[in-house]
Amino acid sequence: DAKTTQPNSMESNEEEPVHLPCNHSTISGTDYIHWYRQLPSQGPEYVIHGLTSNVNNRMASLAIAEDRKSSTLILHRATLRDAAVYYCILRDGGGSNYKLTFGKGTLLTVNP
Amino acid sequence: GAVVSQHPSWVICKSGTSVKIECRSLDFQATTMFWYRQFPKQSLMLMATSNEGSKATYEQGVEKDKFLINHASLTLSTLTVTSAHPEDSSFYICSVPSTGSYGYTFGSGTRLTVV
Repeated sequence: DAKTTQPNSMESNEEEPVHLPCNHSTISGTDYIHWYRQLPSQGPEYVIHGLTSNVNNRMASLAIAEDRKSSTLILHRATLRDAAVYYCILRDGGGSNYKLTFGKGTLLTVNP
Repeated sequence: GAVVSQHPSWVICKSGTSVKIECRSLDFQATTMFWYRQFPKQSLMLMATSNEGSKATYEQGVEKDKFLINHASLTLSTLTVTSAHPEDSSFYICSVPSTGSYGYTFGSGTRLTVV
């Protein structure tokens, strides 16, 4: 599985933007970039995903580098409810391997 | 994406007994589901891929005779932890995959405590 690298932890202040980076230098042409987050004692929650172009949804924005070797999840205004572990995962869209393999993720702390 | 219901949310059992965890896809016919396990302060570890109408595919190091998976319909997969021991105490999570435009959906998880 193609691997991703994320910082172990990041800190932000409430109502400020947060940029969560992810490196995936071995990404293949058919890999989708998925982001999930997990609050304590809950299952992961889908945040956003993309292939080549930047993506926006009600939760966040995903900025994908032109060479696709890195991406950034952007939370435009962090709230206390955004405090979670954020996982950047590559999902192979070209074959029958649907597995999502989780790394360690980034623990986001939001300060009031 | 799909709506996924996982039950129970927590269970306590005695060592040596078996526990069944259910994962239901409420609005999506899932030919494949995934089962994960998560220990405290660790990431999710994929245990197995549940395949409707056929045998599950287990990840390396996961005992298939201990973690029995049944996927008899397109909406239900079950994970049975047999002869549970305290080291099996963990957070078990199921997931329904998607293709293309949607993200994967995860169950709310089952906290298993073996005493």
